[in-house]
Amino acid sequence: GAGVSQSPSNKVTEKGKDVELRCDPISGHTALYWYRQSLGQGLEFLIYFQGNSAPDKSGLPSDRFSAERTGGSVSTLTIQRTQQEDSAVYLCASSFSGTPGELFFGEGSRLTVL
Amino acid sequence: GEDVEQSLFLSVREGDSSVINCTYTDSSSTYLYWYKQEPGAGLQLLTYIFSNMDMKQDQRLTVLLNKKDKHLSLRIADTQTGDSAIYFCAEGVSGNTPLVFGKGTRLSVIA
Repeated sequence: GAGVSQSPSNKVTEKGKDVELRCDPISGHTALYWYRQSLGQGLEFLIYFQGNSAPDKSGLPSDRFSAERTGGSVSTLTIQRTQQEDSAVYLCASSFSGTPGELFFGEGSRLTVL
Repeated sequence: GEDVEQSLFLSVREGDSSVINCTYTDSSSTYLYWYKQEPGAGLQLLTYIFSNMDMKQDQRLTVLLNKKDKHLSLRIADTQTGDSAIYFCAEGVSGNTPLVFGKGTRLSVIA
């Protein structure tokens, strides 16, 4: 497809388990973002990749969260030792240097930690 | 720090105008945005305005920016049931840097 693809769309896990969420950005987009959408909390910025530059990790809530982007394309967000407060929809977005701030979002990965 | 505030809910009748308001704190914001999120979907850019503009009109959408008060509004004329969604206000400083989003306003359109 031509849009941002995220997998899995839904993930239910037990507290303490590790999870990996995947994002396939639009081909050619140099920037990739991860946001978290929690009920009543809006969109919370997590991490930002731009080309080959060092990622902006300033939004990661704890050291249990990490992300990588391989080959400037696919990104994986990893949450270790999941907690119930990690339950949220994790949204990935990508952009190119076209319309400023036009982020193309995927449909998100809904994580539920029991 | 950066913060974007918007009311959480708005209900209007079909055919009326909707006005969604937003305030932001970062005076260095270069661009202000409105994103729309339909049920079960990701966010989609609806419109944006440069900080040196006061108004932008695009079909049924009118964006007003009061830079002095750091207030942004989105007016939807002739609101339709298909406009029911969550509308997010966002601010950005430049190009591809991460946007700061508000919590979203859930617009409900009553037929």
